[in-house]
Amino acid sequence: EVQLVESGGGLVKPGSSLKLSCVASGFTFSSYGMHWIRQAPKKGLEWIALIYYDSSNKYYADSVKGRFTISRDNSKNTLYLEMNSLRSEDTAMYYCAKLGITTGFAYWGQGTLVTVSS
Amino acid sequence: DVVLTQTPPTLSATIGQSVSISCRSSQSLLDSDGDTYLNWLLQRPGQSPQLLIYSVSNLESGVPNRFSGSGSETDFTLKISGVEAEDLGVYYCMQATHAPLTFGSGTKLEIK
Repeated sequence: EVQLVESGGGLVKPGSSLKLSCVASGFTFSSYGMHWIRQAPKKGLEWIALIYYDSSNKYYADSVKGRFTISRDNSKNTLYLEMNSLRSEDTAMYYCAKLGITTGFAYWGQGTLVTVSS
Repeated sequence: DVVLTQTPPTLSATIGQSVSISCRSSQSLLDSDGDTYLNWLLQRPGQSPQLLIYSVSNLESGVPNRFSGSGSETDFTLKISGVEAEDLGVYYCMQATHAPLTFGSGTKLEIK
């Protein structure tokens, strides 16, 4: 069974840092690009970052560029999102996902909630 | 960034009714490689999104064949042929042809 399990969310103050993790199982994690996508409360979906299967390329949404860093450890089947200089507008559910853009077989985690508030 | 405009924003259907959702793109989603990277997702209440359709018309594994996708360039449609109770939720289109990847604003399907 495929699973993506996010962790690391919580309540933090503006300007703080947080590191999210996503542990993958049930598929060959090291063969696929992975994404972080977020969803603000009662809002739609926003793509925020992509990392290639071998970490050779990383891409970010303008809204997080320079503040967030995506990384992965294929030996641990784990995807990370390091978030710095957090703002209230970063408050959202954060999902890791294999999107299956070209071949299907998409997987999403259950999400981890990040709340940025003073 | 590519803007995806979904209509209608909300949809109310009875069980067994067929419905369609439109997704219009601000730019052609035909990639230089000949493929069109337009996907459809469903987010049921309280759940993570799930992929229904990829590359316009390909059914994701395990998704019932009452779901179908069509379209080209800038105009795309998701059709549900015979709505079932489990189909309620918010439907999103998503494009991956142009960076950054973007989503439509969603269509909420309610069951009468």
